[in-house]
Amino acid sequence: QKEVEQNSGPLSVPEGAIASLNCTYSDRGSQSFFWYRQYSGKSPELIMSIYSNGDKEDGRFTAQLNKASQYVSLLIRDSQPSDSATYLCAPQGGGKLIFGQGTELSVKP
Amino acid sequence: SAVISQKPSRDICQRGTSLTIQCQVDSQVTMMFWYRQQPGQSLTLIATANQGSEATYESGFVIDKFPISRPNLTFSTLTVSNMSPEDSSIYLCSVEPLTGTNTGELFFGEGSRLTVL
Repeated sequence: QKEVEQNSGPLSVPEGAIASLNCTYSDRGSQSFFWYRQYSGKSPELIMSIYSNGDKEDGRFTAQLNKASQYVSLLIRDSQPSDSATYLCAPQGGGKLIFGQGTELSVKP
Repeated sequence: SAVISQKPSRDICQRGTSLTIQCQVDSQVTMMFWYRQQPGQSLTLIATANQGSEATYESGFVIDKFPISRPNLTFSTLTVSNMSPEDSSIYLCSVEPLTGTNTGELFFGEGSRLTVL
């Protein structure tokens, strides 16, 4: 079992729709969780962090965490073509971030 | 967040040679890490760069192949030794800024794209 698994892409959504990105992790000791966005040819950019069970909203982005289910997700509302990128889930365990394989999102105009 | 500068941004190297990548941050940071991102893949942690002591390597990575230095709180180097084409990758420096709270948030440099012929 991989340490961090993300839903396989590519995920294609129309402009204005909600994009849902999912992630499961194996380390029950993980306490902090991060979502990064990576545009092609660029380095990862932190977009959300979540530390407690429940939802955390920041603009069009909502992160959801369920530690009992070892599950974290990212919702992007009103998706825009500029949201087209690879999204990386990264739980923190043992003081370091372990990245999932990423989900490629394509938002079609 | 911190401003992270990596040099070189890209390089083409010959098999068997070594290359040192530098990472300079504009402010003090608590943690510094080196990641590798192979073509079409996600990020793999190579090691944690410890200030004033030997780096902590992840499984599959060894000091002889990837020596790391961190002489102070704002600077680190990663050397890729005795390179082979399999080392062709993007190498990324990442840092956790010193903010007073342990958020665990990491910020990345622009990466060093290495091609080994």
